[in-house]
Amino acid sequence: AQSVTQLDSQVPVFEEAPVELRCNYSSSVSVYLFWYVQYPNQGLQLLLKYLSGSTLVKGINGFEAEFNKSQTSFHLRKPSVHISDTAEYFCAVISSGSARQLTFGSGTQLTVLP
Amino acid sequence: GAVVSQHPSRVICKSGTSVKIECRSLDFQATTMFWYRQFPKQSLMLMATSNEGSKATYEQGVEKDKFLINHASLTLSTLTVTSAHPEDSSFYICSAPGQGLRETQYFGPGTRLLVL
Repeated sequence: AQSVTQLDSQVPVFEEAPVELRCNYSSSVSVYLFWYVQYPNQGLQLLLKYLSGSTLVKGINGFEAEFNKSQTSFHLRKPSVHISDTAEYFCAVISSGSARQLTFGSGTQLTVLP
Repeated sequence: GAVVSQHPSRVICKSGTSVKIECRSLDFQATTMFWYRQFPKQSLMLMATSNEGSKATYEQGVEKDKFLINHASLTLSTLTVTSAHPEDSSFYICSAPGQGLRETQYFGPGTRLLVL
């Protein structure tokens, strides 16, 4: 079985400040890792994904994440946030060999303050 | 990129009626689609996996007779909430995996269901 933990349910941050959204996972097999963003009353949009190769992955809107196998983490970062980054962010995992089912974390509400 | 649409985007219905939600992959074929339910300020919970040409696979605790899933073609899956009650009010989201083994899933914009 696989699981995802997002430790921070809410993260307020001032505009142009850096931000890190934390994500830890557990799985007995190798995994694929994803970060999705959800704006109010909308579906999910893929920010970035780790499948293999370089552990530092860059996504859209200036976000990046680093896969750390030893710490089973996949934290999301952005060096300077904008008001428009205010949204819910979900970390998700698929275990290799699974039926392509995503397991989501509980989500982190990022609120960017002026 | 791949696009998934859902219809309707919002629906209000009376208790006891049935509501059908459509999920379409617009520019790719999807032999599998996933249906999720999301309560306010909560994460997405997988309800079922829709399989083209065969029965859907439901997650534990999801009533098959309550949430009917039909995957009639390679681009369309439908979720019917039968005899809806207020506790069925929620945000329903579908997704479809892209081609190949790289497991990216594309999500629909969601359907907001309100049962009065």
